Amino acid sequence: DIQMTQSPSSLSASVGDRVTITCRASQSISTYLNWYQQKPGKAPRLLIYTASSLQSGVPSRFSGSGSGTDFTLTISSLQPEDSASYYCQQSYSSLGAFGQGTNLEIK
Amino acid sequence: EVQLVESGGGLVKPGGSLRLSCAASGFTFNNAWMSWVRQAPGKGLEWVGRIESKNDGGTTNYAAPVKGRFTISRDDSKKTLYLQMNSLRIDDTAVYYCTTYSGQGGPIDYWGQGTLVTVSS
Repeated sequence: DIQMTQSPSSLSASVGDRVTITCRASQSISTYLNWYQQKPGKAPRLLIYTASSLQSGVPSRFSGSGSGTDFTLTISSLQPEDSASYYCQQSYSSLGAFGQGTNLEIK
Repeated sequence: EVQLVESGGGLVKPGGSLRLSCAASGFTFNNAWMSWVRQAPGKGLEWVGRIESKNDGGTTNYAAPVKGRFTISRDDSKKTLYLQMNSLRIDDTAVYYCTTYSGQGGPIDYWGQGTLVTVSS
């Protein structure tokens, strides 16, 4: 089974900062990598699919990159409403494993 | 507008069974791949399993912790997805989300609001 590892598990940043979250797959998954945002008490929402495609309605400050085993989610200029947990997920295999998540706090 | 409404959660004893339902609307259900994702209290997301559309073969796949105990099925005439959970364990306690899966290799694009399953004696 493919394992997904995110880092860091938590981070704190200031409004306006550039923030990067990393996700690593245990084997190559091409670009079958998706990113989700989850706020407390809410269902997750899709941000980025196939590594770099922005889901409709998602602000352009969010971007994704990578291929193979190493991927990044970048928030170019952090906003207060970006305080949330972020998860990567692979859709390369029929078992769609998630990373363990990154909790992003605004200072 | 896509809507996914889960029901059937509640309190069950270890070793017991429960069936979750997910009523879908706002999209062509019989063409959709569907999945279940769960989240234990204070923990991250865990992929549970998925079912393909019948047109694509109707195959089901399950994560290792639930394989052999959980069964995903669908009733396209009722636009409803099911999760039959047997031999429940304390660590199955979680909010269970019904989701749409945008096909082979695609992401999970829509989520329900979730239903809480608590396994406790």
